[in-house]
Amino acid sequence: ILNVEQSPQSLHVQEGDSTNFTCSFPSSNFYALHWYRWETAKSPEALFVMTLNGDEKKKGRISATLNTKEGYSYLYIKGSQPEDSATYLCASPSGNTGKLIFGQGTTLQVKP
Amino acid sequence: EAGVAQSPRYKIIEKRQSVAFWCNPISGHATLYWYQQILGQGPKLLIQFQNNGVVDDSQLPKDRFSAERLKGVDSTLKIQPAKLEDSAVYLCASSLVWSSGYNEQFFGPGTRLTVL
Repeated sequence: ILNVEQSPQSLHVQEGDSTNFTCSFPSSNFYALHWYRWETAKSPEALFVMTLNGDEKKKGRISATLNTKEGYSYLYIKGSQPEDSATYLCASPSGNTGKLIFGQGTTLQVKP
Repeated sequence: EAGVAQSPRYKIIEKRQSVAFWCNPISGHATLYWYQQILGQGPKLLIQFQNNGVVDDSQLPKDRFSAERLKGVDSTLKIQPAKLEDSAVYLCASSLVWSSGYNEQFFGPGTRLTVL
């Protein structure tokens, strides 16, 4: 069974701080790595879908890298803002059915 | 483009009662997923439909959970009878196709169920 792990479980930072989280996944039979942001009382929102080793993607102040050989992805937030407060989930498909296996998430709290 | 709709948003019931959740996916999306997210854990797939056929229901507790997707559009997820451990957020998601896992899944806002 595919096992996806995220760390840390929670993070509290001050406004303006930069931060990063880790997602670990099995490197064998890799298909893709998804990052989602989930704000309280809202729908999880897709940030990135990454497929190639060495991929780097950026969306505003958020960026992500992918290392499929060693089985990890980093999500970076530059200059955190209170509106970045959310749970960040990573997920990897199990096999080729599209079934996503999620990590437990990293909950970020940004204090003004 | 309208997103994935779910109702109700919140539900509180007592154990042994029944409850049903409804999901309307994005128009044209053939694949529909129901996930269960227990506090402190990541979402876990309960059931996946391709049109109105089941692709994966391996983690659905079939003694109490059921789901259907009549006509390949809307879907309902039912719990009967509910247990305390069913307290969770139930997320519905849809995607255009399901092959390979590259395709983005679009999520609804979820239904937060509390079982007392």
